[in-house]
Amino acid sequence: QSALTQPASVSGSPGQSITISCTGTSSDVGSYNLVSWYQQHPGKAPKLMIYEVSKRPSGVSNRFSGSKSGNTASLTISGLQAEDEADYYCCSYAGSSTFPHWVFGGGTKLTVL
Amino acid sequence: QVQLVESGGGVVQPGRSLRLSCAASGFTFSSYGMHWVRQAPGKGLEWVAVISYDGSNKYYADSVKGRFTISRDNSKNTLYLQMNSLRAEDTAVYYCAKDWAIMDVWGKGTTVTVSS
Repeated sequence: QSALTQPASVSGSPGQSITISCTGTSSDVGSYNLVSWYQQHPGKAPKLMIYEVSKRPSGVSNRFSGSKSGNTASLTISGLQAEDEADYYCCSYAGSSTFPHWVFGGGTKLTVL
Repeated sequence: QVQLVESGGGVVQPGRSLRLSCAASGFTFSSYGMHWVRQAPGKGLEWVAVISYDGSNKYYADSVKGRFTISRDNSKNTLYLQMNSLRAEDTAVYYCAKDWAIMDVWGKGTTVTVSS
């Protein structure tokens, strides 16, 4: 149950686009289209931003998009806004039919300059 | 609206037990698998356990297997996490989250501190 690998921090200026990567293995990200992304502001609960690699829940801005290639998933935020500054976590299903389990990335702190 | 409210956290000595609850409202609780996820102070999210919609299937992270038990009472719309043999490294905010596949709704969390 090893954690997925994310960059510790990324930054961008308002209006710019940034991408956060999430690298796993062929046992998790590479095998399942069950990658989710969560936004967490300080002292708050995580909020679902992307699920099943690239789907957006109702109410989430279309500035947020997700993709996957091989063992790496990515979250892209376009048109950066001040309120996007937060921690972002990826999560992937990593199990089998006999041992379902989930694994999170270590988190990425997004700073809007 | 869909809401999850955790409770039961507190300060407990190493080796002791604690039971967390998660009260659900605004959706058909008995139709959804549910998760517990925790976050140690200043650290990232860690998946803890999941239970199927009817309680028949339960799975745990290696770090808590044999010590924690997830359960649910669909008649009370409530999820539980029984935590035994607590260790200092179990200190965290514990969140419950809805939906087996996508954890789409989270509670605000309850804080567990394991300290002598």
